[in-house]
Amino acid sequence: DQQVKQNSPSLSVQEGRISILNCDYTNSMFDYFLWYKKYPAEGPTFLISISSIKDKNEDGRFTVFLNKSAKHLSLHIVPSQPGDSAVYFCAATGSGGGADGLTFGKGTHLIIQP
Amino acid sequence: GAVVSQHPSRVICKSGTSVKIECRSLDFQATTMFWYRQFPKQSLMLMATSNEGSKATYEQGVEKDKFLINHASLTLSTLTVTSAHPEDSSFYICSATMNTEAFFGQGTRLTVV
Repeated sequence: DQQVKQNSPSLSVQEGRISILNCDYTNSMFDYFLWYKKYPAEGPTFLISISSIKDKNEDGRFTVFLNKSAKHLSLHIVPSQPGDSAVYFCAATGSGGGADGLTFGKGTHLIIQP
Repeated sequence: GAVVSQHPSRVICKSGTSVKIECRSLDFQATTMFWYRQFPKQSLMLMATSNEGSKATYEQGVEKDKFLINHASLTLSTLTVTSAHPEDSSFYICSATMNTEAFFGQGTRLTVV
């Protein structure tokens, strides 16, 4: 049973527009959420995180929104750039943040079209 | 940011042999490291938690006798895939935590032929 779900395997967005990647979770014990970006044959790199006590966290072009009642979070990238093309993983964990093991979604392959 | 180095990045081995993958935290000490596995087009799955100076904690369904983990120091954890078979071919990634942030190695592509 997948506890973290990314239902869109891929997403194509035009350069300059907003990319919205979605993630749902089922485990109510999760209270810290992270987004990672991954290029082929490389390890994931951290993008942005959010604690369950917040509903929004912003860092430059990246904003993560958390709807705790719906167990849903989303990553917004605006404006989208060609270098954003990668696989994006949503991850969740307990209050230890990355100090605990992470549960990942299957990832969404974001393709930015020129 | 902190750096986690994983070696080798690619390895091809014959069926039945063992392969060791190293994970090092280069500029910080990591009492806990994690090992993940990723199949093509699949999520990264946590395999085990490696604790310095003690036995690793394995996730359900992961064979501890097949995937040997040794966390000999605060900067080094190793994963040994013993008696490898083609179904063990995968992408293995380690991570180490500094404060609450997880840093990942570059990953190891294991191909068993």
